[in-house]
Amino acid sequence: EDQVTQSPEALRLQEGESSSLNCSYTVSGLRGLFWYRQDPGKGPEFLFTLYSAGEEKEKERLKATLTKKESFLHITAPKPEDSATYLCAVEGNAGNMLTFGGGTRLMVKP
Amino acid sequence: GAVVSQHPSWVICKSGTSVKIECRSLDFQATTMFWYRQFPKQSLMLMATSNEGSKATYEQGVEKDKFLINHASLTLSTLTVTSAHPEDSSFYICSARAEGAAYNEQFFGPGTRLTVL
Repeated sequence: EDQVTQSPEALRLQEGESSSLNCSYTVSGLRGLFWYRQDPGKGPEFLFTLYSAGEEKEKERLKATLTKKESFLHITAPKPEDSATYLCAVEGNAGNMLTFGGGTRLMVKP
Repeated sequence: GAVVSQHPSWVICKSGTSVKIECRSLDFQATTMFWYRQFPKQSLMLMATSNEGSKATYEQGVEKDKFLINHASLTLSTLTVTSAHPEDSSFYICSARAEGAAYNEQFFGPGTRLTVL
């Protein structure tokens, strides 16, 4: 059974204070690891897909990296508008579905 | 691109009534659509997977007779909550996977807030 664990559950940062969110996973043959951003009362917004260890992707202040056991979402000089819940999910060889972690709720104070 | 819409965005109904939620892929064809349920401050829980033209596959513990799913076209899937009760109140989110996508990159709708009185 695929499993995804995200840490921390909640993270408070000051504006400009860089940090990283962790996503640890166990999966039977990783087909893809996905990062989403979710604002309160809205559906998840797609951010990145990572397919293999060593891969990195960037978008504005966000950078996602992947190893064989975990992924990090690095946030550089965050702004208040980066406040949201960040979700990590994996797809394994077992089936055509995503397994989600519990999410990290990020709060950036001005 | 890759926009998914849901309708309605919120609905309030009386206990015992049925509610239909629509999920549409606006600018791509989706062979597979997924329905999730999310409780406050919790992550997404997959309810069922629907493929165009075939019966939906429900996750363990999800009542197929209560949550009816229809995927009649490559751009539309519907979830009907039958005989709704207060415990069915939740945030329902659909997602769609593009036709021909090699990997399970899902694009999500904005969600529907269901409140059953």
